[in-house]
Amino acid sequence: GIQVEQSPPDLILQEGANSTLRCNFSDSVNNLQWFHQNPWGQLINLFYIPSGTKQNGRLSATTVATERYSLLYISSSQTTDSGVYFCAVGRSNFGNEKLTFGTGTRLTIIP
Amino acid sequence: DVKVTQSSRYLVKRTGEKVFLECVQDMDHENMFWYRQDPGLGLRLIYFSYDVKMKEKGDIPEGYSVSREKKERFSLILESASTNQTSMYLCASSLSLSPQHFGDGTRLSIL
Repeated sequence: GIQVEQSPPDLILQEGANSTLRCNFSDSVNNLQWFHQNPWGQLINLFYIPSGTKQNGRLSATTVATERYSLLYISSSQTTDSGVYFCAVGRSNFGNEKLTFGTGTRLTIIP
Repeated sequence: DVKVTQSSRYLVKRTGEKVFLECVQDMDHENMFWYRQDPGLGLRLIYFSYDVKMKEKGDIPEGYSVSREKKERFSLILESASTNQTSMYLCASSLSLSPQHFGDGTRLSIL
């Protein structure tokens, strides 16, 4: 199956700092998603981004499918950004939308 | 907004019991998924369904079964609960090639 590697595994930053989270994957994909799991365990979908660049407020993501990686950028971090960020990938077609998740980057924002 | 509702936030059951976890989505999504999340192992796919009465095994289906009699509802069944099935269970739904949306999770303890 597809291997997904996320880096760094842990990141501790001061409020207001910027950060870049990386997701590498081992095979071609047509489905890539970024999620944030907050300290209460809720998983929120941030981006559906199999290729290209998207922005949503202070967050943006870029996927370079040909080079098998994706980056998540967080600017001007706030304490509410704390939690675990997961990248998930898949080769999806009708009847098969399986995703393989990375092990996540744990982000801690200090006030 | 997509709403994925899991029947219980916390559940405690005994070894050998038959356990039902229910998931309901309100957005007419054809795809539904059951994952379990364990420390150090990330999210792993148990089963998924791409249509009513259709089901496919994920990466760790042993000891579980599923039922999808109506489009909005996807049930996970632990046939004979064991202590190694103590975990956080997460349900998700999606349209084809679209973001997956998660419920709040059920933290299941098997004693």
